[in-house]
Amino acid sequence: AQSVTQLDSQVPVFEEAPVELRCNYSSSVSVYLFWYVQYPNQGLQLLLKYLSGSTLVKGINGFEAEFNKSQTSFHLRKPSVHISDTAEYFCAVTGNFNKFYFGSGTKLNVKP
Amino acid sequence: DAGVIQSPRHEVTEMGQEVTLRCKPISGHDYLFWYRQTMMRGLELLIYFNNNVPIDDSGMPEDRFSAKMPNASFSTLKIQPSEPRDSAVYFCASSFRVGPYEQYFGPGTRLTVT
Repeated sequence: AQSVTQLDSQVPVFEEAPVELRCNYSSSVSVYLFWYVQYPNQGLQLLLKYLSGSTLVKGINGFEAEFNKSQTSFHLRKPSVHISDTAEYFCAVTGNFNKFYFGSGTKLNVKP
Repeated sequence: DAGVIQSPRHEVTEMGQEVTLRCKPISGHDYLFWYRQTMMRGLELLIYFNNNVPIDDSGMPEDRFSAKMPNASFSTLKIQPSEPRDSAVYFCASSFRVGPYEQYFGPGTRLTVT
């Protein structure tokens, strides 16, 4: 079985500050990890994904994430956030059978 | 490509009425997923199809919910009879193949049952 835990339900941060959104997963098999973003009143959009290879993955809008197998984590980071990054962020894990397991989401609130 | 298309975008109905949500996946995608999103339960997978065949419907909450995919370009999620607790945003998503392939989400249908 696979599962994802997003440790923070809400993260407030000031504009231009760095941010880290935490994600931990559990799985007994090889995993593929994703981060999605949901802007208000919209569907989910892919930010980045880890399939294999380099553990540091870069995505759109300046976001990056690091896969840490020993700590079963896939934290999302951005060195300097903008107001436009205000959204809800979802971590997801899947194996080879295409069923995604999503975390409960983290609401990022960027303040001016 | 137009992306995943869902209709209607908003639906308000009275308790006891039948509700039908519609989805058109991205052309060429073999998998289609129905999710429900609520404040209390977050994002839940209800059912998914592979090549129009339901593979896993373990997330369907009860017999009032049913989903069909009569062809590769159309799927419906039906609730009959609807209840206020069904109020949620329902998303449809599609993906290309088995394995680590991105799921593309539609804009969602916001359902309100009064």
